[in-house]
Amino acid sequence: AQSVSQHNHHVILSEAASLELGCNYSYGGTVNLFWYVQYPGQHLQLLLKYFSGDPLVKGIKGFEAEFIKSKFSFNLRKPSVQWSDTAEYFCAVNGGNQGGKLIFGQGTELSVKP
Amino acid sequence: DGGITQSPKYLFRKEGQNVTLSCEQNLNHDAMYWYRQDPGQGLRLIYYSQIVNDFQKGDIAEGYSVSREKKESFPLTVTSAQKNPTAFYLCACHPGLAGYNEQFFGPGTRLTVL
Repeated sequence: AQSVSQHNHHVILSEAASLELGCNYSYGGTVNLFWYVQYPGQHLQLLLKYFSGDPLVKGIKGFEAEFIKSKFSFNLRKPSVQWSDTAEYFCAVNGGNQGGKLIFGQGTELSVKP
Repeated sequence: DGGITQSPKYLFRKEGQNVTLSCEQNLNHDAMYWYRQDPGQGLRLIYYSQIVNDFQKGDIAEGYSVSREKKESFPLTVTSAQKNPTAFYLCACHPGLAGYNEQFFGPGTRLTVL
């Protein structure tokens, strides 16, 4: 069965620190990969996605993620976090032949101290 | 103004009562999804529908039921058979077919069973 694992449940950083959130998935075929963010009190929204081409993808608000096929990973990065990045982050995987169905990771709560 | 709405935002029910959560979208999307979000467990798929008058069970369908009589609407009923119904419920929609398209999420309904 497909699964997605996010390594960190809660990350606490100071402003300007660099961020990397891990995401690994198990699925042998073609995948589409997503990072979603849930700011306090707001809708879940898309940060970025990968489906083909350059494995380094850039998203909104300075976030980027790198797809490493050999490691089944899709880690999220940001060089310098801000207090406003405080949120919960979810990695999700879509198997290429499954329509829009997603499997989500457990989520990582990020707290940024001003 | 296109989007996906859920109502109500907060819902309280007594144990043993069925309750129906509303989800409406005007994005003309074919597919709709219901998730349950619990702390530390990410989003878990309850039911999904890829076309009107058809739906499939997700990973945690027991104690829930859905209908899809109209493209715009995908209500979820939490029945008295659901053993632990208190949770945050998210509805999402998707254009259908191509998995590289993102899902769009509603604001959620927080259900508390007393």
